[in-house]
Parts: sequence; C-alpha cells; structure tokens
Amino acid sequence: QVQLQESGPGLVKPSQTLSLTCTVSGGSISSGGYYWSWIRQHPGKGLEWIGYIYYSGSTYYNPSLKSRVTISVDTSKNQFSLKLSSVTAADTAVYYCAGGSSFTRRFDYWGQGTLVTVSS
Amino acid sequence: QTVVTQEPSLTVSPGGTVTLTCASSTGAVTSGYYPNWFQQKPGQAPRALIYSTSNKHSWTPARFSGSLLGGKAALTLSGVQPEDEAEYYCLLYYGGAQLDVFGTGTKVTVL
Repeated sequence: QVQLQESGPGLVKPSQTLSLTCTVSGGSISSGGYYWSWIRQHPGKGLEWIGYIYYSGSTYYNPSLKSRVTISVDTSKNQFSLKLSSVTAADTAVYYCAGGSSFTRRFDYWGQGTLVTVSS
Repeated sequence: QTVVTQEPSLTVSPGGTVTLTCASSTGAVTSGYYPNWFQQKPGQAPRALIYSTSNKHSWTPARFSGSLLGGKAALTLSGVQPEDEAEYYCLLYYGGAQLDVFGTGTKVTVL
C-alpha cells in the first residue's frame, strides 16, 4: 500500500521560501504513468491545486502560483518536493501531497497534510 | 480565470438519496475533464471516491456513484449513512492548459 508523508517547517517568515518534502513509501516514485501533486487548503477554505510532476519529469503549475512554484523529484530518496518562494500570510495553509495514475488522472494516495504558517 | 462551482450545502435524511453537481465556467463538463470526486471530513485529508467521471476506487462504498448530468459532473449518494456527512469536492482537468481546478465544495449534512 502506497503511503505519502509530508515534512518540513511549520513556520516560515514572510518573503522567504517554503520548502516541503513528500516521502513515498510502499511503492516507487519512478513508477511509469504516475504523477505526484501538491495541493493546499487555506484555513476553513476549499482545496487549491498547486501543481504536479509527471513520472517523466514534466511539471505543470497553477497559473496563479506559477512564478513562485517549483516541484521536483529525488528518485534516490523516493521523495518529491515543493518550493514556494516569496511567501506571504496568504500562503498560510495545510499543504497536502498526493499521487496517482496520470493515465486515468487519479489521485489515489494522499498525505495527512502539514500546516505551514507564514509569520514573522 | 476558470471557476468550478458546486452547491454550497445539501441536507439529506439517513437512507435518502442526494446528488451533488460540479459545473465549469467554461461550459459543459464532459468525460474529457476526467472528473474526480473527493470526500473530506473535519481534520482529515481528502479521500478519493471517484475518478474519470464514474470509476470507483477499491475502497469506495457502492452507494457512491459518479456520472455526467445536464452538462455537469455529478456525484450521487444513495442510501445515505450518517458517516457520509462531510465536505465533497470535485476536480476537473483542463487538458488544453494542463491544469486541474477543484470545485468550491459541497457540505453534505445528514439529518
């Protein structure tokens, strides 16, 4: 059973870069046909798709965040990461990683989520 | 900016049936949008229920079904159970722009 776990600082200062890692266990992040996503949820609000990276390495980002987002994969560690630069209080949210088959556009696997607060 | 709209809230009696819909600001939703549906309970991560319009995950209860209805994606809960009380989100894929957009969410109350 594939499991995902987010990790990273829970507090980030304004203007700095938010960095989170998602560790994949029970399966290979290099599995053909899979994509790995980041999604966030502002407190008390709905879900927002941030972006994903395909097994091929291609990345796609939410246009509203594109200029500040980078998603990458470290196959040696079976992890993928999110970097969000120049953060403000508006980036305070629970961040989820998720994964699934890109062929059927599934999002089978989700991490438990991690709260990141942007504050000085 | 693309907006995906869902009913803000719906109430259903135990054992009843309720249908949630998911509309795109760009026009009719088709299977090409690969609609996904997720359930989220307070304090928990979302859980996938439906993918590619109507396909269930292995853990999806039989009472949940997905379809296209009147130009929208739809999620029907039949024989609703108290544990179905949750927030439900749809997700649509806009292939031309290679982006996914979540719906606004529907709060389902079982009363």
